[in-house]
This record gives sequence, C-alpha cells and structure tokens, in this order.
Amino acid sequence: KNEVEQSPQNLTAQEGEFITINCSYSVGISALHWLQQHPGGGIVSLFMLSSGKKKHGRLIATINIQEKHSSLHITASHPRDSAVYICAVTWTGNQFYFGTGTSLTVIP
Amino acid sequence: NAGVTQTPKFRVLKTGQSMTLLCAQDMNHEYMYWYRQDPGMGLRLIHYSVGEGTTAKGEVPDGYNVSRLKKQNFLLGLESAAPSQTSVYFCASSSPIRLSTPYNEQFFGPGTRLTVL
Repeated sequence: KNEVEQSPQNLTAQEGEFITINCSYSVGISALHWLQQHPGGGIVSLFMLSSGKKKHGRLIATINIQEKHSSLHITASHPRDSAVYICAVTWTGNQFYFGTGTSLTVIP
Repeated sequence: NAGVTQTPKFRVLKTGQSMTLLCAQDMNHEYMYWYRQDPGMGLRLIHYSVGEGTTAKGEVPDGYNVSRLKKQNFLLGLESAAPSQTSVYFCASSSPIRLSTPYNEQFFGPGTRLTVL
C-alpha cells in the first residue's frame, strides 16, 4: 500500500507570506495530485503532475520522483487561500491514495 | 453542467436504520467512487465502479453496498447504520486512464454529512 505523508498538519501564516506544504510517498507512482478542500467542504483539483513543476497563478507544485516528494507553494498568500490542502497519489489504475491534509489559515 | 451532485446534503439516522446516498454526474464519466472522510484521516475509498453494472470494493467496504444501474448514477447504501459510519461521504467521478492520458482528474461532489446516533 502506498503511504502518503503530509507536513505540516496545520499551518498559520500572515497575509503575504510564502507558504510551502510537503508531501512524501512510499512507492513509485504514476501521478501526484494536489487538491483543495474549501471550508464549506467542496474538493477541487489544483494540479496533477508526474514530473517537474507546474504553476497556476500564485500556486506552484513540484515533484521529485527520485526522492518521492512533492511540494505545493503559495506565493503572496491571501486569506482566501485558507483551506485544507490534500495530496493524493495514483499508483495503478484510477485509484487515489490520500494524505490526511494540511489545514492552512492565512491571517489578514 | 452541474458536475457531480449528491443527495442528501445532511442526514441523521438512528442505529439500525437504513438509507441510500445518491450520486449523479453529467460528464459522461466511466469511473465513479464513494469515499468517506473522518477527522485526522485521509479520504478512504469505500467502493468504486469502472462502468455501468460493475462495482468493486475499496479500502473500507464493510457495512456498505453500492449499485451502478445507470452510467450517470452511483448509489451508496447503508443497510443497518452504526455510529462508526458517522462521517462525511464524498462521491467522485473520472474518465478512465488511456494511453494518451495515463492519469486523470477526479471530480468531487459537495459531500453528505451523515450522523448515526
């Protein structure tokens, strides 16, 4: 079974700070996904990546396949970024294995 | 498009009662999933389906049954609810993996908060 570990579990930042959330996994994967769960509960996909780096607005996701590690960065954080960020991996097929999430609070 | 919808949004049951959660998607996705989310734990797969008329067990299937009679609907049933089934339930759907797209995004419903007393 693929273990997915996220750190930190909880994170509080001041508005404008650069934020990093980490994800590590135990075995080889086909892809890694970053998801955002809003305070109201809805879950949306932010990134899917199998190598390198992707950027969308103020969000950047990187993955190092050799080290089995991924990071999600948020530049110039804003209170609306407050959410739970979830890392998930797909190994074979379409099944996801999820981390426990990182709860981010950005204070104005 | 509505995407993935779930009904009901909230439900309170007494131990031993039964209920069915409905998931519907309008994206013509082949794959559908039921997850539960509990505090301090990641989303866990209950059952999934790779097409109409097919279902398979996930990580935590005990106490649940599912049916996929129509491609767009995936039903999750609790025959005899237990307090341990108090959770938030999410449905998701995706296209199947193909050679051209070796990994796919899952689209999630808004969740159903179930409390079993």
